[in-house]
Amino acid sequence: DTEVTQTPKHLVMGMTNKKSLKCEQHMGHRAMYWYKQKAKKPPELMFVYSYEKLSINESVPSRFSPECPNSSLLNLHLHALQPEDSALYLCASSRETGLSYGYTFGSGTRLTVV
Amino acid sequence: DAKTTQPPSMDCAEGRAANLPCNHSTISGNEYVYWYRQIHSQGPQYIIHGLKNNETNEMASLIITEDRKSSTLILPHATLRDTAVYYCIVRIDINEKLTFGTGTRLTIIP
Repeated sequence: DTEVTQTPKHLVMGMTNKKSLKCEQHMGHRAMYWYKQKAKKPPELMFVYSYEKLSINESVPSRFSPECPNSSLLNLHLHALQPEDSALYLCASSRETGLSYGYTFGSGTRLTVV
Repeated sequence: DAKTTQPPSMDCAEGRAANLPCNHSTISGNEYVYWYRQIHSQGPQYIIHGLKNNETNEMASLIITEDRKSSTLILPHATLRDTAVYYCIVRIDINEKLTFGTGTRLTIIP
């Protein structure tokens, strides 16, 4: 298995809803990442997990709450989002966080906040 | 991370080699050069990376100049499926980040 699987592929949520994005990989990678991508812009890093511990939070608002319950799974919990949070949310993994390792990205969850 | 400069867009004829340039004039000795691409509506895809030496894999070749201030990604026989945004990224280990710039939108012309 050489893929990162993200679910759901599309999500529409209201500003008062609570939802979660899920990311799964079975490549034995110990680093996992969340990126946010607005239309026609490059991906922007949100969070980095290394060995299931949060190592980088790029000053992301608390309405985004990451969770890494085990080495294969990464969640992003969403609560009280704003319409400007609508974007493509990408998950990635790598063997570790070191320089020798490329990232494998999922296809993303396209989130629309209404 | 060192800043990279890429042309915003390029065209290449199908079947020809696509040569994508990247300037990284402020790169330091321990920074790696990475290339990723993003096909429309998909996640980015890792292509190749290198430090000093030229590198080749099944997807592409990476040519890094001797002074390391620039590099070129070569897709030897471009196909329509290579139409994508190509990102050149330089990265050091100390901050564990992979930071994307604006990239080059490569269009393969039939």
